[in-house]
Amino acid sequence: GQQVMQIPQYQHVQEGEDFTTYCNSSTTLSNIQWYKQRPGGHPVFLIQLVKSGEVKKQKRLTFQFGEAKKNSSLHITATQTTDVGTYFCAGPLSSASKIIFGSGTRLSIRP
Amino acid sequence: KAGVTQTPRYLIKTRGQQVTLSCSPISGHRSVSWYQQTPGQGLQFLFEYFSETQRNKGNFPGRFSGRQFSNSRSEMNVSTLELGDSALYLCASSLVSRGDTEAFFGQGTRLTVV
Repeated sequence: GQQVMQIPQYQHVQEGEDFTTYCNSSTTLSNIQWYKQRPGGHPVFLIQLVKSGEVKKQKRLTFQFGEAKKNSSLHITATQTTDVGTYFCAGPLSSASKIIFGSGTRLSIRP
Repeated sequence: KAGVTQTPRYLIKTRGQQVTLSCSPISGHRSVSWYQQTPGQGLQFLFEYFSETQRNKGNFPGRFSGRQFSNSRSEMNVSTLELGDSALYLCASSLVSRGDTEAFFGQGTRLTVV
């Protein structure tokens, strides 16, 4: 079946360093969503990418959708302690299909 | 407007028992999805309901079932509980049942099976 994998599983960085998580699907995605889950919290929607090669920015966060629509990345510039949490990518097989979540990347930060 | 409400927040059950979890979606949202979250397995899709009908189902045994009522509230039932069912159960509501729609998650119900 369709799988959505994320790497790395864990990332521990010094505050101020950059962070990137990568999402790869075994099949083409009609769109990709990114969610953030703070420790002890629930996933919260960050953004959705739809177009091939699309790039979107939210302050220090940059999201990319691959040309083949099978991979995506989230890059955080100059991490802050508020960035701590697990970042999930999620995508459906088609616009009418259930959403499959990636395995998540847990980000921890040394102050 | 109120967010997604899940009850109870915490639950302790013994093996063999059954449990029912409740989810009230955001007003106007008709799609409710359920996920199981464990440290080792991440977010695993259980099922999705839309307009009282199950639209999609994940790879979970028949002990896991659900339903949705006419007011879009949803319940999830797990029968014959096993230790491995201990997890955070999250429900997410969406306006419609489409894969390009933002999902709003509830705080979850943390189930511990002893």
